[in-house]
Amino acid sequence: DADVTQTPRNRITKTGKRIMLECSQTKGHDRMYWYRQDPGLGLRLIYYSFDVKDINKGEISDGYSVSRQAQAKFSLSLESAIPNQTALYFCATSDSLTPAETQYFGPGTRLLVL
Amino acid sequence: GEDVEQSLFLSVREGDSSVINCTYTDSSSTYLYWYKQEPGAGLQLLTYIFSNMDMKQDQRLTVLLNKKDKHLSLRIADTQTGDSAIYFCAERFGYGQNFVFGPGTRLSVLP
Repeated sequence: DADVTQTPRNRITKTGKRIMLECSQTKGHDRMYWYRQDPGLGLRLIYYSFDVKDINKGEISDGYSVSRQAQAKFSLSLESAIPNQTALYFCATSDSLTPAETQYFGPGTRLLVL
Repeated sequence: GEDVEQSLFLSVREGDSSVINCTYTDSSSTYLYWYKQEPGAGLQLLTYIFSNMDMKQDQRLTVLLNKKDKHLSLRIADTQTGDSAIYFCAERFGYGQNFVFGPGTRLSVLP
């Protein structure tokens, strides 16, 4: 089984709808992240969480919100989806106790906002 | 702000060596990473190097770090068609969440 899972893998929605993307991990890591990927722009950080009670905005948090329901679960919500939020979304985890703190990524959620 | 740059495309012949380059701006980098993304998949860690190292080798992969020029490279020896993917350079500076990813280099391996 995959260590970092994301649901759904693909989603089509309409402008103005609220949607939630979910991420679960079995790695036991304390830190979790949400990124979006756009062609030619690499990955940009939306939100990150160092533990259940610690949520922080990333580079591009406007229009998004998150919830860390448990150490293993971190969800991303688009309150009112707009077409320029069409992108590939990745969840990632890391272990703060390891020196390199390598990030481990889920398979991604492809979102299309019409 | 911090920035990581890569060329967007690279084509090589099967069996040749590939060299993917990356430049970064933050001199307080602690670790630098190379990730691989295959079509339809998430990013997979290939290797990383601590900032006080110059080189790291792992089978077909060689990472070179030039701190003076803030330049990182990934060399793939004997490139195979299975190496076709997007390769991301990433920089971590300080010891917080401060990761910055480059735009990715799409490597195409020609038969």
